[in-house]
Amino acid sequence: AQTVTQSQPEMSVQEAETVTLSCTYDTSESDYYLFWYKQPPSRQMILVIRQEAYKQQNATENRFSVNFQKAAKSFSLKISDSQLGDAAMYFCAYRSAQSDYKLSFGAGTTVTVRA
Amino acid sequence: EAEVAQSPRYKITEKSQAVAFWCDPISGHATLYWYRQILGQGPELLVQFQDESVVDDSQLPKDRFSAERLKGVDSTLKIQPAELGDSAMYLCASSSDRVPNTGELFFGEGSRLTVL
Repeated sequence: AQTVTQSQPEMSVQEAETVTLSCTYDTSESDYYLFWYKQPPSRQMILVIRQEAYKQQNATENRFSVNFQKAAKSFSLKISDSQLGDAAMYFCAYRSAQSDYKLSFGAGTTVTVRA
Repeated sequence: EAEVAQSPRYKITEKSQAVAFWCDPISGHATLYWYRQILGQGPELLVQFQDESVVDDSQLPKDRFSAERLKGVDSTLKIQPAELGDSAMYLCASSSDRVPNTGELFFGEGSRLTVL
């Protein structure tokens, strides 16, 4: 079974600054997908960014980018120019490239944005 | 925009009572998931359906939990009898099997259960 570890329970960032969330995972597979999901308070979880393991180029989505280090099994999320609306719980998730589409989640990191 | 619908949003019950949650996935999504999220933790998969068939229910406490998706569309998750440790958010998600498959799961707003 794959395990996903997020070692930062909470992170705080000043508005307009940058924050980086860390994630490591354990797998014996070579082909898989990694995701960052955002869960705002009392709202549904939404996808922030995804990365295919076979792609060397790091994914970017507007102010969100990842640093994917396959050999180190590391997948960090960088939020640039932080906004108040970025305050949420962020989950790193792993999915095998096999037909089993279930996601395995980390414990989450709560991001607080200071005005 | 299509969304995953869940009800009820909030449920308070006493232990030993029965409780049920309902989920309607995005139209056309063949795969449906029920996750349990304890406060402050990441979601954990309880059961996964492909159409009306169970793909994975290895983490479902089958002595008290049951799930069905009879027509391969909406789904019901039932707990009977509820225990104090069942207090959590129950999340439903769905995904499309169309190619190319991005692997993205679409989540509902969840059903928060409090067992007294």
